Amino acid sequence: EPEVTQTPSHQVTQMGQEVILRCVPISNHLYFYWYRQILGQKVEFLVSFYNNEISEKSEIFDDQFSVERPDGSNFTLKIRSTKLEDSAMYFCASTQGSQPQHFGDGTRLSIL
Amino acid sequence: AQTVTQSQPEMSVQEAETVTLSCTYDTSENNYYLFWYKQPPSRQMILVIRQEAYKQQNATENRFSVNFQKAAKSFSLKISDSQLGDTAMYFCAFMLPYGGATNKLIFGTGTLLAVQP
Repeated sequence: EPEVTQTPSHQVTQMGQEVILRCVPISNHLYFYWYRQILGQKVEFLVSFYNNEISEKSEIFDDQFSVERPDGSNFTLKIRSTKLEDSAMYFCASTQGSQPQHFGDGTRLSIL
Repeated sequence: AQTVTQSQPEMSVQEAETVTLSCTYDTSENNYYLFWYKQPPSRQMILVIRQEAYKQQNATENRFSVNFQKAAKSFSLKISDSQLGDTAMYFCAFMLPYGGATNKLIFGTGTLLAVQP
């Protein structure tokens, strides 16, 4: 069964540094999402992406965040200047439409 | 705005027994989807079961079934014949069906289920 792939599985970064989290959605999916889960808390929506543009973003998704689909397969989340509170698990998800979203295994981001 | 509430932070069940996890939600919409996702210690997000609001019949997937009460805005998950591998955090989630781009999932705070041998 096709899977959503996320790399790296764990990223450790110094505060203030830029970080890029990578995702390869399922190949025939059209809608892409990033979610965040701070340790011990619920999963929160960050941003949705369709047709090469952001469709919706949450309050969390401020100017420090950006997303990009640089080619036909990758979907990236960039945090420009990381803060301690950005430490979390970041999940990428994709779907064809009004179908259940398929999640990747997540990237654990640790900010030191 | 839609909200999802899971009032049971933790639950425990004996192996082979049945357990029910509660979820309530709030929306003014008539058409929507509801999901249960499982997150084991590995922290993957695994879809357990889905329910379309327009369907009166409760969804079933093997040992997992739901009790969907639309008027009460309740969506509970029943796990029958609990297995050790069912130990995980369970999240209830809500989604509107209006075009894929706005189909964000809204999650509850989760219920940590421990299956005891």
